[in-house]
Amino acid sequence: QKEVEQNSGPLSVPEGAIASLNCTYSDRGSQSFFWYRQYSGKSPELIMFIYSNGDKEDGRFTAQLNKASQYVSLLIRDSQPSDSATYLCAVRAGLNAGNNRKLIWGLGTSLAVNP
Amino acid sequence: DAGVIQSPRHEVTEMGQEVTLRCKPISGHNSLFWYRQTMMRGLELLIYFNNNVPIDDSGMPEDRFSAKMPNASFSTLKIQPSEPRDSAVYFCASSLGSLKYNEQFFGPGTRLTVL
Repeated sequence: QKEVEQNSGPLSVPEGAIASLNCTYSDRGSQSFFWYRQYSGKSPELIMFIYSNGDKEDGRFTAQLNKASQYVSLLIRDSQPSDSATYLCAVRAGLNAGNNRKLIWGLGTSLAVNP
Repeated sequence: DAGVIQSPRHEVTEMGQEVTLRCKPISGHNSLFWYRQTMMRGLELLIYFNNNVPIDDSGMPEDRFSAKMPNASFSTLKIQPSEPRDSAVYFCASSLGSLKYNEQFFGPGTRLTVL
């Protein structure tokens, strides 16, 4: 089992719809959770981070964390064609990893927003 | 701020040649990460420095790979000898390690092609 798992997609949604991206992780001691967006040919850029159970909203983006079930999700409301990209989930290793600055990355989910 | 700077942006070389990739982190950041990204394996952490000291090099594929950080503003990743399977995009990222949420800022990447 991979440490951080994402559905590779592609996830295709119509413009204006809600896109839902999911991520599960195996290390129950994980502390912080990140969503990065990567456009084709570009470098990853941070969209949101979350470290407490529940929801965190920032504009059209909402991150949801459920530590008991070990999943984190990203919702994109009113999806736009410019949201078309690969979304990477990253998890900060738990203290038992002996290195709490290391991020464990999923392979990413490709999102396509159709006009 | 100029962000993370990497050079070269593109490198094409022949098998067996030495390749040196360079990175200048964001001023004031004390953690530096070297990643490799391929379609098949996604984003892989190669090595991570904190305060110029290598902390975790478990991702370095083999002895052909080496990395140095002689000072806080410069790091190199060297491959000697290079092989076609080393072809990938290599990213350097930096972060301010004292922050709980540990956001990593990525450079533009170096696209390496080994023929």
